[in-house]
Amino acid sequence: GNSVTQMEGPVTLSEEAFLTINCTYTATGYPSLFWYVQYPGEGLQLLLKATKADDKGSNKGFEATYRKETTSFHLEKGSVQVSDSAVYFCALSNSKGDYKLSFGAGTTVTVRA
Amino acid sequence: EAQVTQNPRYLITVTGKKLTVTCSQNMNHEYMSWYRQDPGLGLRQIYYSMNVEVTDKGDVPEGYKVSRKEKRNFPLILESPSPNQTSLYFCASSLSGTGVNYGYTFGSGTRLTVV
Repeated sequence: GNSVTQMEGPVTLSEEAFLTINCTYTATGYPSLFWYVQYPGEGLQLLLKATKADDKGSNKGFEATYRKETTSFHLEKGSVQVSDSAVYFCALSNSKGDYKLSFGAGTTVTVRA
Repeated sequence: EAQVTQNPRYLITVTGKKLTVTCSQNMNHEYMSWYRQDPGLGLRQIYYSMNVEVTDKGDVPEGYKVSRKEKRNFPLILESPSPNQTSLYFCASSLSGTGVNYGYTFGSGTRLTVV
Protein backbone atom coordinates (compact mmCIF):
# COMPACT_ATOMS: atom_id res chain seq x y z
CA GLY A 1 0.00 0.00 0.00
CA ASN A 2 0.92 3.67 -0.04
CA SER A 3 2.90 5.18 2.78
CA VAL A 4 4.80 8.35 3.59
CA THR A 5 7.66 8.66 6.06
CA GLN A 6 8.74 12.04 7.36
CA MET A 7 11.63 12.99 9.57
CA GLU A 8 10.62 13.19 13.17
CA GLY A 9 10.39 16.50 14.93
CA PRO A 10 10.21 18.73 16.59
CA VAL A 11 12.59 20.96 14.72
CA THR A 12 13.68 24.24 16.29
CA LEU A 13 15.54 26.84 14.26
CA SER A 14 16.64 30.44 14.47
CA GLU A 15 15.34 33.01 12.03
CA GLU A 16 17.16 33.02 8.67
CA ALA A 17 18.36 29.45 9.16
CA PHE A 18 18.06 26.81 6.43
CA LEU A 19 15.23 24.31 6.81
CA THR A 20 15.08 20.78 5.41
CA ILE A 21 12.35 18.27 6.19
CA ASN A 22 12.94 14.84 4.72
CA CYS A 23 10.10 12.87 3.16
CA THR A 24 10.22 9.48 1.47
CA TYR A 25 7.36 7.48 0.08
CA THR A 26 6.23 4.04 -0.99
CA ALA A 27 3.62 3.81 -3.71
CA THR A 28 2.60 1.85 -6.75
CA GLY A 29 2.39 3.60 -10.06
CA TYR A 30 3.04 7.31 -10.38
CA PRO A 31 1.79 9.23 -7.36
CA SER A 32 1.39 12.97 -7.02
CA LEU A 33 3.24 14.43 -4.05
CA PHE A 34 2.30 17.28 -1.76
CA TRP A 35 3.39 19.34 1.18
CA TYR A 36 0.67 20.70 3.44
CA VAL A 37 1.15 23.18 6.26
CA GLN A 38 -0.93 23.51 9.42
CA TYR A 39 -0.63 26.73 11.37
CA PRO A 40 -1.68 26.69 15.04
CA GLY A 41 -5.43 26.26 15.45
CA GLU A 42 -6.10 25.99 11.74
CA GLY A 43 -6.79 23.36 9.12
CA LEU A 44 -4.25 22.15 6.62
CA GLN A 45 -3.34 24.29 3.63
CA LEU A 46 -1.70 23.11 0.45
CA LEU A 47 1.84 24.49 0.37
CA LEU A 48 3.16 22.98 -2.86
CA LYS A 49 2.83 19.96 -5.10
CA ALA A 50 4.49 17.99 -7.87
CA THR A 51 2.71 15.59 -10.14
CA LYS A 52 5.52 13.83 -11.99
CA ALA A 53 9.16 12.86 -11.63
CA ASP A 54 11.69 15.73 -11.59
CA ASP A 55 8.95 18.33 -11.11
CA LYS A 56 9.80 21.02 -8.60
CA GLY A 57 7.01 22.50 -6.52
CA SER A 58 7.55 25.92 -4.97
CA ASN A 59 5.61 28.44 -2.92
CA LYS A 60 6.37 31.11 -0.28
CA GLY A 61 10.10 30.39 -0.57
CA PHE A 62 9.65 26.66 0.00
CA GLU A 63 10.74 24.11 -2.60
CA ALA A 64 10.56 20.37 -3.06
CA THR A 65 11.65 18.19 -5.99
CA TYR A 66 9.98 14.91 -6.92
CA ARG A 67 12.82 12.35 -7.02
CA LYS A 68 11.55 9.05 -8.33
CA GLU A 69 14.94 7.35 -8.16
CA THR A 70 15.17 7.96 -4.42
CA THR A 71 11.37 8.04 -3.81
CA SER A 72 11.78 11.33 -2.00
CA PHE A 73 10.17 14.76 -1.82
CA HIS A 74 12.22 16.75 0.67
CA LEU A 75 11.01 20.21 1.68
CA GLU A 76 13.53 23.07 1.84
CA LYS A 77 13.57 26.76 2.60
CA GLY A 78 16.67 28.86 2.51
CA SER A 79 15.82 31.43 5.19
CA VAL A 80 12.99 30.75 7.61
CA GLN A 81 10.93 33.32 9.49
CA VAL A 82 9.05 33.14 12.76
CA SER A 83 5.84 33.02 10.72
CA ASP A 84 6.95 29.66 9.25
CA SER A 85 6.39 28.00 12.61
CA ALA A 86 3.84 25.28 11.88
CA VAL A 87 3.34 21.57 11.38
CA TYR A 88 4.34 20.33 7.92
CA PHE A 89 2.84 17.21 6.35
CA CYS A 90 4.11 15.31 3.36
CA ALA A 91 1.39 13.49 1.42
CA LEU A 92 0.79 11.49 -1.73
CA SER A 93 -2.18 10.60 -3.87
CA ASN A 94 -2.23 7.60 -6.11
CA SER A 95 -5.54 8.08 -7.87
CA LYS A 96 -5.98 4.34 -8.09
CA GLY A 97 -9.68 4.24 -7.31
CA ASP A 98 -9.76 5.60 -3.79
CA TYR A 99 -8.42 9.04 -4.64
CA LYS A 100 -7.27 9.63 -1.12
CA LEU A 101 -4.27 11.46 0.23
CA SER A 102 -1.93 9.42 2.40
CA PHE A 103 -0.18 11.63 4.96
CA GLY A 104 3.03 11.40 6.87
CA ALA A 105 3.03 11.86 10.64
CA GLY A 106 3.85 15.57 10.40
CA THR A 107 6.90 17.56 11.49
CA THR A 108 6.55 20.42 13.96
CA VAL A 109 8.80 23.36 13.13
CA THR A 110 9.42 26.20 15.56
CA VAL A 111 11.38 29.25 14.42
CA ARG A 112 12.79 31.51 17.12
CA ALA A 113 13.51 35.21 16.63
CA GLU B 1 -15.36 33.04 0.11
CA ALA B 2 -14.65 29.46 -0.92
CA GLN B 3 -14.48 27.35 2.17
CA VAL B 4 -15.22 24.17 4.05
CA THR B 5 -17.16 24.80 7.25
CA GLN B 6 -17.16 22.35 10.14
CA ASN B 7 -19.23 22.54 13.29
CA PRO B 8 -18.70 22.46 16.15
CA ARG B 9 -15.06 23.50 16.60
CA TYR B 10 -14.88 21.90 20.04
CA LEU B 11 -17.03 19.19 21.58
CA ILE B 12 -16.85 17.30 24.85
CA THR B 13 -19.26 14.40 25.18
CA VAL B 14 -19.80 11.25 27.18
CA THR B 15 -19.34 7.67 26.09
CA GLY B 16 -22.31 6.33 24.16
CA LYS B 17 -24.07 9.62 23.42
CA LYS B 18 -24.69 9.92 19.70
CA LEU B 19 -23.24 12.97 18.01
CA THR B 20 -22.94 14.49 14.56
CA VAL B 21 -20.19 16.73 13.24
CA THR B 22 -21.37 18.75 10.28
CA CYS B 23 -19.35 19.65 7.19
CA SER B 24 -20.43 21.93 4.40
CA GLN B 25 -18.60 23.25 1.33
CA ASN B 26 -19.63 26.05 -1.02
CA MET B 27 -17.41 25.19 -3.99
CA ASN B 28 -19.65 22.64 -5.71
CA HIS B 29 -16.98 20.01 -5.09
CA GLU B 30 -17.85 16.42 -5.90
CA TYR B 31 -15.31 14.75 -3.61
CA MET B 32 -15.46 15.05 0.18
CA SER B 33 -13.60 13.21 2.90
CA TRP B 34 -13.20 12.94 6.66
CA TYR B 35 -9.85 12.53 8.39
CA ARG B 36 -8.79 12.20 11.98
CA GLN B 37 -5.48 13.56 13.22
CA ASP B 38 -3.66 11.93 16.10
CA PRO B 39 -0.17 12.72 17.44
CA GLY B 40 2.52 10.71 15.71
CA LEU B 41 0.06 9.20 13.23
CA GLY B 42 -0.61 12.11 10.90
CA LEU B 43 -4.01 12.18 9.23
CA ARG B 44 -5.93 9.01 8.57
CA GLN B 45 -8.93 8.81 6.30
CA ILE B 46 -12.21 7.72 7.87
CA TYR B 47 -14.69 7.89 4.97
CA TYR B 48 -14.90 9.56 1.62
CA SER B 49 -17.58 10.38 -0.92
CA MET B 50 -17.12 10.63 -4.67
CA ASN B 51 -20.50 12.30 -5.17
CA VAL B 52 -24.08 12.43 -3.88
CA GLU B 53 -25.18 9.06 -2.48
CA VAL B 54 -21.71 7.57 -3.14
CA THR B 55 -19.65 6.91 -0.01
CA ASP B 56 -16.91 4.45 0.88
CA LYS B 57 -14.69 3.46 3.77
CA GLY B 58 -11.25 4.87 4.32
CA ASP B 59 -8.54 3.40 6.51
CA VAL B 60 -10.24 3.77 9.91
CA PRO B 61 -14.03 3.61 9.45
CA GLU B 62 -14.96 1.60 12.54
CA GLY B 63 -17.34 3.45 14.84
CA TYR B 64 -18.25 6.11 12.26
CA LYS B 65 -21.02 6.67 9.73
CA VAL B 66 -21.45 9.25 7.00
CA SER B 67 -24.11 10.30 4.54
CA ARG B 68 -24.11 12.38 1.35
CA LYS B 69 -27.67 13.37 0.56
CA GLU B 70 -26.67 16.73 -0.90
CA LYS B 71 -23.54 17.72 -2.73
CA ARG B 72 -22.53 20.42 -0.24
CA ASN B 73 -22.96 18.46 3.02
CA PHE B 74 -21.08 15.48 4.39
CA PRO B 75 -21.85 14.90 8.09
CA LEU B 76 -19.84 12.54 10.27
CA ILE B 77 -21.92 10.52 12.72
CA LEU B 78 -20.68 8.76 15.83
CA GLU B 79 -23.53 6.49 16.93
CA SER B 80 -21.91 5.44 20.20
CA PRO B 81 -18.73 7.40 20.82
CA SER B 82 -15.92 5.86 22.82
CA PRO B 83 -12.81 7.45 24.41
CA ASN B 84 -10.58 6.10 21.61
CA GLN B 85 -12.44 8.41 19.24
CA THR B 86 -11.05 11.43 21.07
CA SER B 87 -9.21 13.20 18.28
CA LEU B 88 -8.99 16.19 15.96
CA TYR B 89 -11.26 15.73 12.95
CA PHE B 90 -10.97 17.41 9.57
CA CYS B 91 -13.36 17.52 6.68
CA ALA B 92 -11.88 18.16 3.24
CA SER B 93 -13.18 18.57 -0.28
CA SER B 94 -11.83 18.51 -3.79
CA LEU B 95 -13.26 19.28 -7.18
CA SER B 96 -13.34 15.60 -8.08
CA GLY B 97 -11.72 12.31 -7.24
CA THR B 98 -8.90 12.96 -9.64
CA GLY B 99 -8.93 16.56 -8.47
CA VAL B 100 -7.13 15.53 -5.31
CA ASN B 101 -4.08 15.99 -7.50
CA TYR B 102 -4.83 19.70 -7.30
CA GLY B 103 -5.14 19.60 -3.55
CA TYR B 104 -7.81 19.43 -0.92
CA THR B 105 -9.55 22.33 0.80
CA PHE B 106 -9.69 21.60 4.51
CA GLY B 107 -12.06 22.76 7.20
CA SER B 108 -10.71 24.29 10.41
CA GLY B 109 -11.14 21.12 12.41
CA THR B 110 -13.30 19.75 15.22
CA ARG B 111 -11.63 18.78 18.45
CA LEU B 112 -13.66 15.99 20.02
CA THR B 113 -13.18 14.68 23.53
CA VAL B 114 -15.11 11.60 24.67
CA VAL B 115 -15.07 11.01 28.43
